[in-house]
This record gives sequence, C-alpha cells and structure tokens, in this order.
Amino acid sequence: RKEVEQDPGPFNVPEGATVAFNCTYSNSASQSFFWYRQDCRKEPKLLMSVYSSGNEDGRFTAQLNRASQYISLLIRDSKLSDSATYLCVVKREEGGKLIFGQGTELSVKP
Amino acid sequence: NAGVMQNPRHLVRRRGQEARLRCSPMKGHSHVYWYRQLPEEGLKFMVYLQKENIIDESGMPKERFSAEFPKEGPSILRIQQVVRGDSAAYFCASSPGIMNEQYFGPGTRLTVT
Repeated sequence: RKEVEQDPGPFNVPEGATVAFNCTYSNSASQSFFWYRQDCRKEPKLLMSVYSSGNEDGRFTAQLNRASQYISLLIRDSKLSDSATYLCVVKREEGGKLIFGQGTELSVKP
Repeated sequence: NAGVMQNPRHLVRRRGQEARLRCSPMKGHSHVYWYRQLPEEGLKFMVYLQKENIIDESGMPKERFSAEFPKEGPSILRIQQVVRGDSAAYFCASSPGIMNEQYFGPGTRLTVT
C-alpha cells in the first residue's frame, strides 16, 4: 500500500464547477501536509500548506483530518488555468523528505 | 530573488557514461533535496543535504548514485555508468530550514540512449 494515496482521475469538469480531491496517508507520524500542482510534468509548485484548522486561499480550501488521516482540496469556480495534476504531499515528523501521492489530474473545459 | 536553478535542463547520455546534475538553491536556503520522477510515476525522494553534509540518503539507489553540497558552489547529483532505467526528470528543491516549505527547480530531464 502506498504511503499517500490519491484518486488518479482524470477529473473532467466545466468552467465554473466546484471540484474536490481527496487524499489519505498511512503513516501517523506524518506531521506536515501540502498540496502542490504540477503542469505537464514540469516542476511541482506549492499551492498551499494544510493546517488542522483548515485553510482557505481564494478559490482553494484545504482540510486536514488527523484522526482519519485524510486531506482534501476544494476548488471553487474552476478556471481553465486550473487544469493540472494536483499532488498531495506529506512530511514525517523526522527528516525533511516529502512523500508524494501519485497525483490527481484535473482538466477544466470551456 | 531568483528561484531554484538547475542545469542542464536536458541531458542526453549513452549507456555507461556519467551524468552530473547541478542545483543552486534559492538565496538564503541552505537545505537541498533531490527527487526523481520516472516516466508515468510520481515523485520519489532521493537525498537531503545541507552544506557539506548528507542528512538523509534513504532514497538513493545503493550503487552508482552520489550527491554532494559543497561549502561553495551548487549541489551535484552524480550518476555513474548510466543505464536506460535512469532516464527520468530529476528535480531539486530547497528550503531555508527543515520545517519550511520546499521550492522546486525546473528539473533536469535525463535521457539515456
């Protein structure tokens, strides 16, 4: 079983739609959580860190449930430019390495 | 403030040759991480370095791969005697400290022919 699991998609949605991505992690020692986006296998770009209290950045909302070991990302009012692969990422309490999920592909259509 | 820089962006090597990949972290960042993305796969951690020290190399293949981050100059990922299975995108990331977010460079795409 992978340490970080995501639905690979693809998610095909029309512009303006709301889309939600889910992610589960298996190691309870995970301490920090992030969402990155990757366009066409270019470098991953940090979208947002995820906090226990939940956090919002414009159209993007991230939630963390430590008890269920579950992370989510909600994108409201999807834009064409949101089309990308969204990577769920965790970091353990010890060490600096990031552990990536396989990514969820999003395609926003006009 | 320039971002993480990697060079070369593309590298072609024949089987058995050596590949050297360079990474210059963002200004003020002393922590460097290397990740590899094989075709059709996710990113996998390889090694974590601070200046002159390897902190965690748990993701490095046991043979042919080495990394360094000297006191002066970029971090280097070195692959000796490359094989076709080494063809991948190699990304470097940096952070100011172990607890901070990591920012990625544009990657080096290695093709082994």
